[in-house]
Amino acid sequence: DVKVTQSSRYLVKRTGEKVFLECVQDMDHENMFWYRQDPGLGLRLIYFSYDVKMKEKGDIPEGYSVSREKKERFSLILESASTNQTSMYLCATSWGSHYEQYFGPGTRLTVT
Amino acid sequence: LAKTTQPISMDSYEGQEVNITCSHNNIATNDYITWYQQFPSQGPRFIIQGYKTKVTNEVASLFIPADRKSSTLSLPRVFLSDTAVYYCLELTGTASKLTFGTGTRLQVTL
Repeated sequence: DVKVTQSSRYLVKRTGEKVFLECVQDMDHENMFWYRQDPGLGLRLIYFSYDVKMKEKGDIPEGYSVSREKKERFSLILESASTNQTSMYLCATSWGSHYEQYFGPGTRLTVT
Repeated sequence: LAKTTQPISMDSYEGQEVNITCSHNNIATNDYITWYQQFPSQGPRFIIQGYKTKVTNEVASLFIPADRKSSTLSLPRVFLSDTAVYYCLELTGTASKLTFGTGTRLQVTL
C-alpha cells in the first residue's frame, strides 16, 4: 500500500510566522501535490512537483512556496502566515499526471 | 471558486443505486475524469477514472456522454458505510490544470 504521511495533523501558528508543512511518500512516485480544502470551495491546487527540484504553480500559489530536494519529500512553506491561510492542507502523490492520486491524512492549520 | 459543479448533497436508502453528476467545462477528448471519496478527517480516496463513454470497476461505474459536459458516478448498491463526500476531478492537459468539483455529500440511511 502507498503510504503518504504529513508531519502534523493539527497545527496552530501566529500571524507572521513561517510555517513548514512536510509530506513524505514511500512509493517512489514522480508527482507530488499540495492542496488546501475549505468549506464550500472543495480542494484547490496550490503547487505540484513532477520531479526533484521541479515545481509548477497550481490555482492558488500566492503566499506559498514549495521545496522538493528529495523524491520522497515535498514541503509546503508559508513564508509569513496570515489568518486567511487557516485551512486543511492535503498532500497527494501519483505515478504520473493521469494516474490516481494518493492522499495523506491532512494537516489542519489554524493561524491566529 | 471551482468551475466544476456538483449537487451539494444527496440522500439515499441502503441498497439503492446512487448516481452523482458533475458538470464540466471544456473537457477535451483525452482529458480524464476521476472520482474520489472522502470520509471526515481523512484524505480523499480514489474510486474510478476514465476519459470516455463508460468505465466500470468492482465498486462503481463512470459515464461520460459524447458532449463531455458532464460525468456521472454510479454506485450500484450503497451501504451505510458509503456515507461520505464525493468529488469529481477533471484533468485537462498537465497536472497543473486539474480542477476538483465542489463535492457532493451523500447520506445513506436504513
